[in-house]
Amino acid sequence: KAGVTQTPRYLIKTRGQQVTLSCSPISGHRSVSWYQQTPGQGLQFLFEYFSETQRNKGNFPGRFSGRQFSNSRSEMNVSTLELGDSALYLCASSEGLRSYEQYFGPGTRLTVT
Amino acid sequence: QQPVQSPQAVILREGEDAVINCSSSKALYSVHWYRQKHGEAPVFLMILLKGGEQKGHEKISASFNEKKQQSSLYLTASQLSYSGTYFCGTGGAGGTSYGKLTFGQGTILTVHP
Repeated sequence: KAGVTQTPRYLIKTRGQQVTLSCSPISGHRSVSWYQQTPGQGLQFLFEYFSETQRNKGNFPGRFSGRQFSNSRSEMNVSTLELGDSALYLCASSEGLRSYEQYFGPGTRLTVT
Repeated sequence: QQPVQSPQAVILREGEDAVINCSSSKALYSVHWYRQKHGEAPVFLMILLKGGEQKGHEKISASFNEKKQQSSLYLTASQLSYSGTYFCGTGGAGGTSYGKLTFGQGTILTVHP
């Protein structure tokens, strides 16, 4: 089975711009969760989508949003980028209904200048 | 509230054992353990659910003490490949919240030949 894929792997953006990151889960998985990882704050939960609906949400500002498509692929959008948004963004997929272990993708390294 | 991991770092020789602890100030419903090597995504090791169910790799064992709100990861006969940062993540209450993980700060494990 193919693993979780994320695109792009690296991204450099300017403050004030917006960005969209993509995640394709493991085949058959219906849950996609997004995390932000920084040296200072560690791994922080952004949100989880299950069957196209946001099922859980973390404590991030409204500039962070996401969606999930009918094929379970998910996108995450960050508007009005700030320098502090520089981070590794990880998505994780899970079967989501009867089992909850999460499998992480390689991440997208976002640098905001 | 972020779970607290201890120790923050541990250095071992090949073949030695280690225990990593994860303590929560809130009731535990699920605990997820991951290992992350530098520059790579976290890799799933084990999930433990309230009620005793657990699933994970054969060579890894863990415990889940609901009363003490603690989980421990046991690494026996360590190998060089065990080196990395270990994270515990605690899930929310209820099945649909298992996917909303709050991660500890991580424990850096280094195994020397």
